[in-house]
Amino acid sequence: GAVVSQHPSRVICKSGTSVKIECRSLDFQATTMFWYRQFPKQSLMLMATSNEGSKATYEQGVEKDKFLINHASLTLSTLTVTSAHPEDSSFYICSAQRSGSSYEQYFGPGTRLTVT
Amino acid sequence: DAKTTQPTSMDCAEGRAANLPCNHSTISGNEYVYWYRQIHSQGPQYIIHGLKNNETNEMASLIITEDRKSSTLILPHATLRDTAVYYCIVLWNRDDKIIFGKGTRLHILP
Repeated sequence: GAVVSQHPSRVICKSGTSVKIECRSLDFQATTMFWYRQFPKQSLMLMATSNEGSKATYEQGVEKDKFLINHASLTLSTLTVTSAHPEDSSFYICSAQRSGSSYEQYFGPGTRLTVT
Repeated sequence: DAKTTQPTSMDCAEGRAANLPCNHSTISGNEYVYWYRQIHSQGPQYIIHGLKNNETNEMASLIITEDRKSSTLILPHATLRDTAVYYCIVLWNRDDKIIFGKGTRLHILP
């Protein structure tokens, strides 16, 4: 149990286009999901906290108009990178917090975004 | 949240116990110690967590010093698949957002 999936696993897009990444909790409900970004040989950097039915909370320095987050259901959160540029190329990882008593966080496998 | 300090990298021979240290000298009484690891190009994987007592599960053991200012993650019989970056994290609540430090890059040597 406690599986989190991400789709797509890899995506290549042209500069100036937008790309959507999905994060799903497959066998549990997640009131809260988190989005991270990771550049090569660096640690994960928290981008935002996504709460079901409400606006996401962005970390300092993360552009909310560029990284659109929607958490429309208890099992799905999406991250849309708008007007992508090569510097947005990165590994994007989500985590889902199981609703209920345990509040454990489970991480997705990540999405590799390459902007050409 | 309390900060953690970990060695940048460590080597361990396959089959031996890997002991990964973590310093968290500013930890408060209600903060948990969590360990995650990230294998290359994958999402982080939860390993173990503890508050005051030592903990053991099927993956590892966690030894927390009596003053709680440091801890050690022990992988009892390391395999090549344990090669990863290991993150020691201190959390006030289990539903805290996780802020990752640089972690320890563990190399298991054949």
